[in-house]
Amino acid sequence: DVKVTQSSRYLVKRTGEKVFLECVQDMDHENMFWYRQDPGLGLRLIYFSYDVKMKEKGDIPEGYSVSREKKERFSLILESASTNQTSMYLCASSFSGGNNYGYTFGSGTRLTVV
Amino acid sequence: QKEVEQDPGPLSVPEGAIVSLNCTYSNSAFQYFMWYRQYSRKGPELLMYTYSSGNKEDGRFTAQVDKSSKYISLFIRDSQPSDSATYLCAMSGQLTFGQGTILTVHP
Repeated sequence: DVKVTQSSRYLVKRTGEKVFLECVQDMDHENMFWYRQDPGLGLRLIYFSYDVKMKEKGDIPEGYSVSREKKERFSLILESASTNQTSMYLCASSFSGGNNYGYTFGSGTRLTVV
Repeated sequence: QKEVEQDPGPLSVPEGAIVSLNCTYSNSAFQYFMWYRQYSRKGPELLMYTYSSGNKEDGRFTAQVDKSSKYISLFIRDSQPSDSATYLCAMSGQLTFGQGTILTVHP
């Protein structure tokens, strides 16, 4: 089974802190994604990556950055956490190619910024 | 207008009912259509995947795609309390998700 592992299930951080969310997948997927999920707003794409050291902005990249130094690992960075970044963060991965068989998601990190 | 519209519900049905979940979309370039199920405090998991217009059945679940109307549906027959979850439609290439419908099946 493909596994996408997010390092923390729950995280509480203070306003202004730098926050790192880690995601690791074990199936050699080329693509990796970071979403946030909020009630009433659904899943919103923050950043994605199609290859090592590549990154592309999603729909809501402001206040976030990412790092992909290895194929299996994709990190989301909150440079200076703010209360409006309190959310559920979901990492996902997928194969490249014409036949899109969907994404595999991690279990999520619920981040609270106080 | 959002590219994908999905009624967020919540939807509450008795055990054994037939459930119909729906999404509409505006981008005619979408080719792949998926349904994800998300249990509370978990990530979404792929439930059904379809490519063309028509029906695809998997046990109690049927996914239906009507490209001419830009409308997709997920039907759940003989619904069970274990089906209680949020159901998200998604469309490719880079997936665009619906808002998700919260479903509760009560015994």
